Amino acid sequence: SAVISQKPSRDICQRGTSLTIQCQVDSQVTMMFWYRQQPGQSLTLIATANQGSEATYESGFVIDKFPISRPNLTFSTLTVSNMSPEDSSIYLCSVGHPGNTIYFGEGSWLTVV
Amino acid sequence: GENVEQHPSTLSVQEGDSAVIKCTYSDSASNYFPWYKQELGKGPQLIIDIRSNVGEKKDQRIAVTLNKTAKHFSLHITETQPEDSAVYFCAARGSGNTPLVFGKGTRLSVIA
Repeated sequence: SAVISQKPSRDICQRGTSLTIQCQVDSQVTMMFWYRQQPGQSLTLIATANQGSEATYESGFVIDKFPISRPNLTFSTLTVSNMSPEDSSIYLCSVGHPGNTIYFGEGSWLTVV
Repeated sequence: GENVEQHPSTLSVQEGDSAVIKCTYSDSASNYFPWYKQELGKGPQLIIDIRSNVGEKKDQRIAVTLNKTAKHFSLHITETQPEDSAVYFCAARGSGNTPLVFGKGTRLSVIA
């Protein structure tokens, strides 16, 4: 299994500011994904983080709002830009290899005030 | 793309009874079906998964069944305990690097 560390685990942010979330994995992984989980809802895929190239975003999510970096096979960041209260969510990093189990971090719990 | 439907949205059972959660998927190319348990304040934890070449998998009190023809899979929890109370999510994934698509979740309450 993979051990995933996300930082920050929780934060309260002022509207209009930006926050960068880090995801660190204890081993090299092929796939890294970022999900959002709004209060009481299921997990929605934001984007696939691609190593060394631009992330692949899902419909409804754009790079200007959610820039993602993935400089290597063990690390990725997600920035939530120009935050509004609607961005209050859990942001989850997910990792795995093709055909294998997918693991999740504990999430970063953001509240925008 | 893939669409996953999950039922019921809430489920209450008496301690010791069984709980069954059902999911259907739309993409016949999907071949990996995990189940996650999410407790309050925590991220999703994988509890069991099944691949398309297997019809059933069991791990102690938890089992998952898969019917590829009907495109549905189910989670079975026997002898439920209060600590089984959580939100359970099913998911499906196709081949290669495709991401998981999740159902909307089932809130399970086990009443002592």
